[in-house]
Amino acid sequence: DTGVSQNPRHKITKRGQNVTFRCDPISEHNRLYWYRQTLGQGPEFLTYFQNEAQLEKSRLLSDRFSAERPKGSFSTLEIQRTEQGDSAMYLCASSAQGGETQYFGPGTRLLVL
Amino acid sequence: GIQVEQSPPDLILQEGANSTLRCNFSDSVNNLQWFHQNPWGQLINLFYIPSGTKQNGRLSATTVATERYSLLYISSSQTTDSGVYFCAVTQGAQKLVFGQGTRLTINP
Repeated sequence: DTGVSQNPRHKITKRGQNVTFRCDPISEHNRLYWYRQTLGQGPEFLTYFQNEAQLEKSRLLSDRFSAERPKGSFSTLEIQRTEQGDSAMYLCASSAQGGETQYFGPGTRLLVL
Repeated sequence: GIQVEQSPPDLILQEGANSTLRCNFSDSVNNLQWFHQNPWGQLINLFYIPSGTKQNGRLSATTVATERYSLLYISSSQTTDSGVYFCAVTQGAQKLVFGQGTRLTINP
């Protein structure tokens, strides 16, 4: 069990650029979640996959955001035409089917200038 | 949607002191987790505790589901206990709903 990993750990970009983040869940965990955390707040749910199916999306996930999990293993989160309000920590978590505990990765900290 | 409130928002203690953090939730839940977020942002699982009491070393937690609250106890605090503690719940769906956190500072 190597834990949930996320890359990159930090990303600085200019407004209007596209960015993509990657999450590798704990092996054999078929559920994968994305959350966003802004300064001083608790994490907020963005979206959730079971295997390769995206089962729920928050209204926080605007049209500029897209998430994929093509083979039911790793996942990517893309933000198009970034805005300064997208600056946040993006957290990924995974859990096993039948297991309720979610395990979090170290996060990707995004700064949009 | 369900509301999760944590108290106190900030807590400053001397090393060796004991502390109690509270989490209130507005409706019945089927999952409750406590996390410690370290200064680098990593969320570390402390307890999965939808009901009952659990202990792990100097930390223990109690959830009274019928009264919709959970308590996290930290005994003999150490400076490494500093950070933000989050309570998070699920209500049927898979997504965790987090409270605003309690920022704990342990001074040497």
